Amino acid sequence: GAGVSQSPSNKVTEKGKDVELRCDPISGHTALYWYRQSLGQGLEFLIYFQGNSAPDKSGLPSDRFSAERTGGSVSTLTIQRTQQEDSAVYLCASSVGVETQYFGPGTRLLVL
Amino acid sequence: GENVEQHPSTLSVQEGDSAVIKCTYSDSASNYFPWYKQELGKGPQLIIDIRSNVGEKKDQRIAVTLNKTAKHFSLHITETQPEDSAVYFCAASRDSGAGSYQLTFGKGTKLSVIP
Repeated sequence: GAGVSQSPSNKVTEKGKDVELRCDPISGHTALYWYRQSLGQGLEFLIYFQGNSAPDKSGLPSDRFSAERTGGSVSTLTIQRTQQEDSAVYLCASSVGVETQYFGPGTRLLVL
Repeated sequence: GENVEQHPSTLSVQEGDSAVIKCTYSDSASNYFPWYKQELGKGPQLIIDIRSNVGEKKDQRIAVTLNKTAKHFSLHITETQPEDSAVYFCAASRDSGAGSYQLTFGKGTKLSVIP
């Protein structure tokens, strides 16, 4: 079956611009995670959605980062006023309930 | 919070030899330990996982061992093949208290299998 999909696959933007990254989880997966992968920091947790519960935003690095999940399916990660240090690969993962997470291919963000 | 250390950062082996990657974790409440393989330009792919009520798990050429007392777990790949070349990540998770099983990852091991 279809895996986790993310779009765009690559995004180049100018410092100060806003960007939106999209994640389509595996059908039926109730949990959705966003992670960031950068050279210096490895893979870091950003935010978690589970069903209709309040999201766990404890990993978001600043208030410029936000995410939403509509209808319990598609999620959008928004970065406002991008900075060069936001350049990274943004990965989305989904799971059925808890534990085993399946990752998408990621969005490679470059902030010039 | 949880801290996961992974060693070595790079590993080169001859085709057919075994490869071992080791990880330690700090939070004794962690109870789920997956291993991911990441090829260039792709997202991490789950290759094997183990839960804290099990000491060892094997799937063909891949095995994982867990020592809860020492808080370390290892990935073993036998009869390595060139297609095993990739970056491998270990991770640990537990319920964060908010229902989230966020993964804490090691820094990764770049495995190169030399034909």
